[in-house]
Amino acid sequence: NAGVTQTPKFQVLKTGQSMTLQCAQDMNHEYMSWYRQDPGMGLRLIHYSVGAGITDQGEVPNGYNVSRSTTEDFPLRLLSAAPSQTSVYFCASSYSRAARGIQETQYFGPGTRLLVL
Amino acid sequence: QKEVEQDPGPLSVPEGAIVSLNCTYSNSAFQYFMWYRQYSRKGPELLMYTYSSGNKEDGRFTAQVDKSSKYISLFIRDSQPSDSATYLCAMTPGRGAGSYQLTFGKGTKLSVIP
Repeated sequence: NAGVTQTPKFQVLKTGQSMTLQCAQDMNHEYMSWYRQDPGMGLRLIHYSVGAGITDQGEVPNGYNVSRSTTEDFPLRLLSAAPSQTSVYFCASSYSRAARGIQETQYFGPGTRLLVL
Repeated sequence: QKEVEQDPGPLSVPEGAIVSLNCTYSNSAFQYFMWYRQYSRKGPELLMYTYSSGNKEDGRFTAQVDKSSKYISLFIRDSQPSDSATYLCAMTPGRGAGSYQLTFGKGTKLSVIP
């Protein structure tokens, strides 16, 4: 298993540009999520999905869109990049279902470093 | 007050020392508690998790949860240079509202000096 994969590893954008950060997992996990990690702020949840076709907002959703058309993929779209979106983005997945939450098996990808100029 | 507080360090210890890392939290709904380890420029990896109060041991690592004090700890015995990383605590209600969201501490950066 490749686990959770993310592409690209590093990206530079200009303000106002759009882009999609890709995330895929081959573990048949139902739950997937996107976090951003900033110095002094820790990991903050952007969006998450509990299954194909189901998404919801996390703590910091503004400026980001997600969709979940398949179990494997959970792309994160930046609609109009801003310097405040400069961060390291992590995708994570878990097989835990609603009754047990996500506490046991959240696997993180290697991250995408994004610089918005 | 942030929901989860964690001293960012940095913490520097000699090889072989016992390391104590901890977090405090304010949300009494949290039931599941986790520790993640994150090496530089890598994604976090789950180290240990605990449900409700109590201790859990795995090799050199021991996780403790004291729900009455809203305080969790991670102990590392016989610390090694390979333990040098940032340690993140995380927690979730596990059921009901917020059950799909992990709330993280900001992480404590640990250096183990040979």
